[in-house]
Amino acid sequence: DTAVSQTPKYLVTQMGNDKSIKCEQNLGHDTMYWYKQDSKKFLKIMFSYNNKELIINETVPNRFSPKSPDKAHLNLHINSLELGDSAVYFCASSQRGIGYTEAFFGQGTRLTVV
Amino acid sequence: GQQVMQIPQYQHVQEGEDFTTYCNSSTTLSNIQWYKQRPGGHPVFLIQLVKSGEVKKQKRLTFQFGEAKKNSSLHITATQTTDVGTYFCAGGGYQKVTFGIGTKLQVIP
Repeated sequence: DTAVSQTPKYLVTQMGNDKSIKCEQNLGHDTMYWYKQDSKKFLKIMFSYNNKELIINETVPNRFSPKSPDKAHLNLHINSLELGDSAVYFCASSQRGIGYTEAFFGQGTRLTVV
Repeated sequence: GQQVMQIPQYQHVQEGEDFTTYCNSSTTLSNIQWYKQRPGGHPVFLIQLVKSGEVKKQKRLTFQFGEAKKNSSLHITATQTTDVGTYFCAGGGYQKVTFGIGTKLQVIP
């Protein structure tokens, strides 16, 4: 069983479209995250949720909206996609805050905006 | 905001040579974590260091946390082709960590 699973693995879409990426963890963790990894491999946190509540919201355009229906799921919806949104998006989870314990990452979603 | 610098960005070594990557922060860190990302893969947790001056070993990997808790290093002894990947440090507080830029390691057989 995959601990943190996200779908889809690849997403190619046109500028201006709206898309969603789904993430689920079966580890019973309280905290979930979205990270963006750009072409230079830099990993930057976007959002962090603890028990369905938003606790970290970095400087991310408001076209990006996370939603956590329950603590096992954290989805990412992106409106009006732009070329610069092309990246790999990783979902992750940890038992408590990431600084307390290890984070488990999903396989990533490679988003290409054309 | 918190900045975590990591050097070098790239390193090519012959198989069997040693490898070290360094991580430096402008501020004192509560803890430091290390992750490995294989090409095309996702970051995988290696270790967490919490105490000042802490040293931990995992087989050929040695991790250190500086006395001032502002720097850390990962040393691999006698690299193997399976060590290929990008090594990230991540440091900060307990709710949020900042990832370094990563060191991409290539091992030449």
